[in-house]
Amino acid sequence: DTEVTQTPKHLVMGMTNKKSLKCEQHMGHRAMYWYKQKAKKPPELMFVYSYEKLSINESVPSRFSPECPNSSLLNLHLHALQPEDSALYLCASSHPGMSQPQHFGDGTRLSIL
Amino acid sequence: GQQVMQIPQYQHVQEGEDFTTYCNSSTTLSNIQWYKQRPGGHPVFLIQLVKSGEVKKQKRLTFQFGEAKKNSSLHITATQTTDVGTYFCAGPNNNDMRFGAGTRLTVKP
Repeated sequence: DTEVTQTPKHLVMGMTNKKSLKCEQHMGHRAMYWYKQKAKKPPELMFVYSYEKLSINESVPSRFSPECPNSSLLNLHLHALQPEDSALYLCASSHPGMSQPQHFGDGTRLSIL
Repeated sequence: GQQVMQIPQYQHVQEGEDFTTYCNSSTTLSNIQWYKQRPGGHPVFLIQLVKSGEVKKQKRLTFQFGEAKKNSSLHITATQTTDVGTYFCAGPNNNDMRFGAGTRLTVKP
């Protein structure tokens, strides 16, 4: 059982839609991450929040907008996505610091029509 | 920038055979982490190596960190069907986490 919960598990949306991915953890971690993973590829880091503040933006397009309402929650707001954005979006959490082991959620499988 | 290379890309073994995946970084790593991702699943943390030359064991899995802290390996002895999945090494670097390409292991019973 994963201790990082992501919703929804699957999402199909059109290029003009607005949707949000949600992630929740109750492990007391103060760092949370969004990754994008294409099929048969490794996860690619998108965003890092440390103590609820955005510390890294890996030059991700502005159609992806992260939000960290509190230490347990992480959202990823989606708008005007492209077909190439179809992927598995993984949330992870850890104690602060990139050297800390990360705990991943099951991911949201996103398909853009 | 830092690159983390991992080989082989695929490995197919007969159950009971051994398996090894290798990871190399273009820069010295503060530590290296290994993750396993089952088909259709999410990455699961296996272990972290920090010290130069460190060797750690978890049952049939042996992890090594090179003396120069730029390479690492994962060896599985006598594979079982439950070992199926993709094994990733990951190297944190300042404000980044770079995953290797992964080695996809399949095991024939």
